[in-house]
Amino acid sequence: DADVTQTPRNRITKTGKRIMLECSQTKGHDRMYWYRQDPGLGLQLIYYSFDVKDINKGEISDGYSVSRQAQAKFSLSLESAIPNQTALYFCATSDGQGLTDTQYFGPGTRLTVL
Amino acid sequence: GNSVTQMEGPVTLSEEAFLTINCTYTATGYPSLFWYVQYPGEGLQLLLKATKADDKGSNKGFEATYRKETTSFHLEKGSVQVSDSAVYFCALRTGRRALTFGSGTRLQVQP
Repeated sequence: DADVTQTPRNRITKTGKRIMLECSQTKGHDRMYWYRQDPGLGLQLIYYSFDVKDINKGEISDGYSVSRQAQAKFSLSLESAIPNQTALYFCATSDGQGLTDTQYFGPGTRLTVL
Repeated sequence: GNSVTQMEGPVTLSEEAFLTINCTYTATGYPSLFWYVQYPGEGLQLLLKATKADDKGSNKGFEATYRKETTSFHLEKGSVQVSDSAVYFCALRTGRRALTFGSGTRLQVQP
């Protein structure tokens, strides 16, 4: 089984709808992240959490919110989706140890907002 | 703040050609440097990393050397294969911060 899973893998929704993307991990890591990927822009950090009680905004948090329900679960919500939130969304985890602190990514959720 | 600049793609090479993908950075503090690879339809996975000046990260025939004097971390491979076709991301991290990624470079290797 995959260490980092995301649901759903694909979602099409309409402008104004509330959407939740879910991420679960079995790596036992404290740190979890949400990124969005747009063509030609690389990955942009939306939110990150260093533990259940430590949640931080990233570069592009406007229009998004998150919930860290447990060490293993980190959800991203779009309260009122808009078309420019159409993107590929990735969840990632890391153990926060040392200088390298490797991030492990889920397979991504492709979101289309019509 | 932190930023990463990568050469624009796509980079198109024939099999067994030499690969270089340029990456330069600006950082507050002393960064750790990474290359991640994204194969079609998949999430990113770590390719290699380096944590201090003159360190060389290597994996799967790819190499990159941490050059503090030129603030660079260029990715190289002596002989690419079709299976290396992917998008490559340079990234850095300072302190407790999350990773800062470059925009990615798509590599296409033709048989």
